Amino acid sequence: AQTVTQSQPEMSVQEAETVTLSCTYDTSESDYYLFWYKQPPSRQMILVIRQEAYKQQNATENRFSVNFQKAAKSFSLKISDSQLGDAAMYFCAYRRRVLFNKFYFGSGTKLNVKP
Amino acid sequence: GAVVSQHPSWVICKSGTSVKIECRSLDFQATTMFWYRQFPKQSLMLMATSNEGSKATYEQGVEKDKFLINHASLTLSTLTVTSAHPEDSSFYICSAPPGLAGGRMYTDTQYFGPGTRLTVL
Repeated sequence: AQTVTQSQPEMSVQEAETVTLSCTYDTSESDYYLFWYKQPPSRQMILVIRQEAYKQQNATENRFSVNFQKAAKSFSLKISDSQLGDAAMYFCAYRRRVLFNKFYFGSGTKLNVKP
Repeated sequence: GAVVSQHPSWVICKSGTSVKIECRSLDFQATTMFWYRQFPKQSLMLMATSNEGSKATYEQGVEKDKFLINHASLTLSTLTVTSAHPEDSSFYICSAPPGLAGGRMYTDTQYFGPGTRLTVL
C-alpha cells in the first residue's frame, strides 16, 4: 500500500528566508507522480509543484523547488524568498501514473511566515 | 483553465436529514471524480471514486448506504449524506481528472473543487 508521511506538523519561517518541508513515501510502483499542494484558509487546494518519478531532474516553479530522491523515497519542498502569502497548509501527495488514479496525501505541514 | 465547482459551499442541517452535495466539471468531461473528506486540521481522506455510468467504488471503512454517490452525467457527480449526524460534520472536497480533452490525454492533472463545509446540528 502507498503511504505518504510528513513528519513536520508545523514550521515557521521569516519573511524572505528559505524553508524546506519534508516528505517521505512508500510504494512498490516505479511510475508515479509526486505533488505538493497548498491549502490556504479558503481551503481550495492549489497545486504548487509536480514531479514525475521517471525524471531525474528536480522540478522547479519560480520560488518553489523540490529535492526528489527516488531511491530514498524522499520528496522535499524548498520555498525560497518566503512571502506572507505562502502561509498555508502544505500537503505532499502521491499518485500512480495511471489515468484516473487517486491521490494519497500526507498529513500536512502548517507553514507560518513571520513578517 | 479547467474548473471544478461544488454546490453548496456551506450547508447546515438538522440531525437525521439528508444533504446532497454537487460536484461539476465546468469545461471538461469527467468520467471519474473523487470524493474526499477533511476534518479540521487534518489531511484529505479519500472516501470514494465516482464513475459515470457505473457504481461508485468506496474506500474501506466508508459506509455505502450512508454516503450515496451518483455520477449522473459526464459533468456531474453528487454525494448525498443520508440521515446525517453531528459526526458527519466535515469538509467535503471533490476532484476530477480531465482525462481526454482537446485531443490530449491528461494523466498528470486533476482539478479540485473549492469544497463544501457540512455542519450537522
